[in-house]
Amino acid sequence: EIVLTQSPATLSLSPGEKATLSCRASQSVSSYLAWYQQKPGQAPRLLIYDTSKRPTGLPARFSGSGSETDFTLTISSLEPEDFAVYYCQQRSSWPLTFGGGTKVEIK
Amino acid sequence: QVQLQESGPGLVKPSETLSLTCSVSGYSISRGYYWAWIRQSPGKGLEWIGNIYYGGNTYYTPSLKSRVSISVDTSKNQLFLNLSSVTAADTAVYYCAKSIATGTTYFEPWGQGTLVTVSS
Repeated sequence: EIVLTQSPATLSLSPGEKATLSCRASQSVSSYLAWYQQKPGQAPRLLIYDTSKRPTGLPARFSGSGSETDFTLTISSLEPEDFAVYYCQQRSSWPLTFGGGTKVEIK
Repeated sequence: QVQLQESGPGLVKPSETLSLTCSVSGYSISRGYYWAWIRQSPGKGLEWIGNIYYGGNTYYTPSLKSRVSISVDTSKNQLFLNLSSVTAADTAVYYCAKSIATGTTYFEPWGQGTLVTVSS
């Protein structure tokens, strides 16, 4: 089973600042990594898939990068609605696994 | 627009079987894609439970494989989850979700989730 480790656990930032979230895999997942956003009381929402692809309609301030075992989600300038928990997920091999999450909170 | 809605008992007794239904609208399950169940224990992260593909292939997480079953009823456009011999550790919000494309297992959209509590 591929273990995904996210860091930091909590990121305290102000609106307008840049957020950099990390996801590290215990073995290579190639480019098969996604990021989800979850707000309190809501289901997760897919933000990025295959490392850097954005679903239609996702704001351009969200971007993903990386390969093999090290991945990054960047939010270029935080909007108030971006404060949430972010999870990474790999689909390189069964079982599918999620990281433990990074909470982006208002400083 | 594809929509998913989970339903089922909110309270299940220990050792019994948890049974949930996911009703899908706006897309026919028989057209393909992966359909998944994912859960989230209170205050915790996401745990993938398993997938079913239109052709009937199922995939389960190893830790639950001996207790879990996922199936579909294409005539009703519904997805089902059965989890047997539940314990308090199975208390969670359970989500159903659709893969974004054939042959890939990233998920969007998700249902709103249903909280299942295991308690006597």
